[in-house]
Amino acid sequence: DAGVTQSPTHLIKTRGQQVTLRCSPKSGHDTVSWYQQALGQGPQFIFQYYEEEERQRGNFPDRFSGHQFPNYSSELNVNALLLGDSALYLCASSLAGRSYNEQFFGPGTRLTVL
Amino acid sequence: KQEVTQIPAALSVPEGENLVLNCSFTDSAIYNLQWFRQDPGKGLTSLLLIQSSQREQTSGRLNASLDKSSGRSTLYIAASQPGDSATYLCAVPTQGGSEKLVFGKGTKLTVNP
Repeated sequence: DAGVTQSPTHLIKTRGQQVTLRCSPKSGHDTVSWYQQALGQGPQFIFQYYEEEERQRGNFPDRFSGHQFPNYSSELNVNALLLGDSALYLCASSLAGRSYNEQFFGPGTRLTVL
Repeated sequence: KQEVTQIPAALSVPEGENLVLNCSFTDSAIYNLQWFRQDPGKGLTSLLLIQSSQREQTSGRLNASLDKSSGRSTLYIAASQPGDSATYLCAVPTQGGSEKLVFGKGTKLTVNP
């Protein structure tokens, strides 16, 4: 049973560039959430996708956008990169509609913006 | 607005010691609470999920308790080992059964041989 996978593992970009991160959920899961984790901090919720729609959004600017595909995989896009976007980006998957929902996280993508 | 606090921020213990990590949250209207482990630069590994109707969950040497009324959870690690060294994070869903998790900053645990 494959867990949550993310690609790439590491990424280095320069300010102003655009980046796309990818996530495949755990088998059987239909909901994908994205989190940003700065060094020494807990993860911060970016947004969540279900049925190919953005269902919830955290306090992140419109430079952060996403997409969910029919196979439930998801992409996170960040435009006009800033130095402060350097962080570990985590993807989590879950099965919608359960209050006892356990979320499973992927290994993350380390983004460095120079 | 839900806020989660973890104390202490860091903890160093000798191997074999039993230890307790603390997590507190401001809004007691939660559906569940989840404890995670994170190794340096890695993703999160789910350790235990406690439903709001439960008071405890156990997995091996780990035991997590939940007291909703006081807004507290503890993670008890028995007979600690160097391999337990990691950052431990607790998280709760935001109000209304949302799947959006609010995390604490974590407790960095070091177990010395």
